[in-house]
Amino acid sequence: DAKTTQPPSMDCAEGRAANLPCNHSTISGNEYVYWYRQIHSQGPQYIIHGLKNNETNEMASLIITEDRKSSTLILPHATLRDTAVYYCIAGRGDTDKLIFGTGTRLQVFP
Amino acid sequence: DAGVIQSPRHEVTEMGQEVTLRCKPISGHDYLFWYRQTMMRGLELLIYFNNNVPIDDSGMPEDRFSAKMPNASFSTLKIQPSEPRDSAVYFCASSLGGVNQPQHFGDGTRLSIL
Repeated sequence: DAKTTQPPSMDCAEGRAANLPCNHSTISGNEYVYWYRQIHSQGPQYIIHGLKNNETNEMASLIITEDRKSSTLILPHATLRDTAVYYCIAGRGDTDKLIFGTGTRLQVFP
Repeated sequence: DAGVIQSPRHEVTEMGQEVTLRCKPISGHDYLFWYRQTMMRGLELLIYFNNNVPIDDSGMPEDRFSAKMPNASFSTLKIQPSEPRDSAVYFCASSLGGVNQPQHFGDGTRLSIL
């Protein structure tokens, strides 16, 4: 599985867009980009995933660069409840094994 | 719908005792995962099952750890004998498997070994 690099922490004002970057420069062709988040003392929660096209769901948008070496998770209107650790994972499509890194701790402030 | 159910939520026991953690996956899910989370090592995959069969146990730290899945609706993670360094939060997750099926996590068991 490709290694991912994320900033350790970020801040975002409530109501603004939160843009969380992830570098995965060694990603291979059959590896997807997955995003999960973990709110304090809870289990991780799936957010979104993609292969090469941009994706959007009710929680967030995922923008993947054309060369697939990096991506950005966008929370369009961050709320205080979005304060969490966000994990970017590059995982193979033919297995179900996900390797969690250290993630980005997002703090949303009023 | 019920999510992944783990028990107990908290466990405190003395070193040397046997510890059994339990997990009930979401009905219909045929993949089950056990993770361990500590401040030092983050979230680590210990073992995962497909259709009740262990597929990859390379993350199991040592022989003191064992996991079983006797049927599709129940799995256990056992530590015998337990040691203080086993103190962590243990998560169970399940999924339908495949690229487009996310893993659903339980609320975890917070284990403290004194």
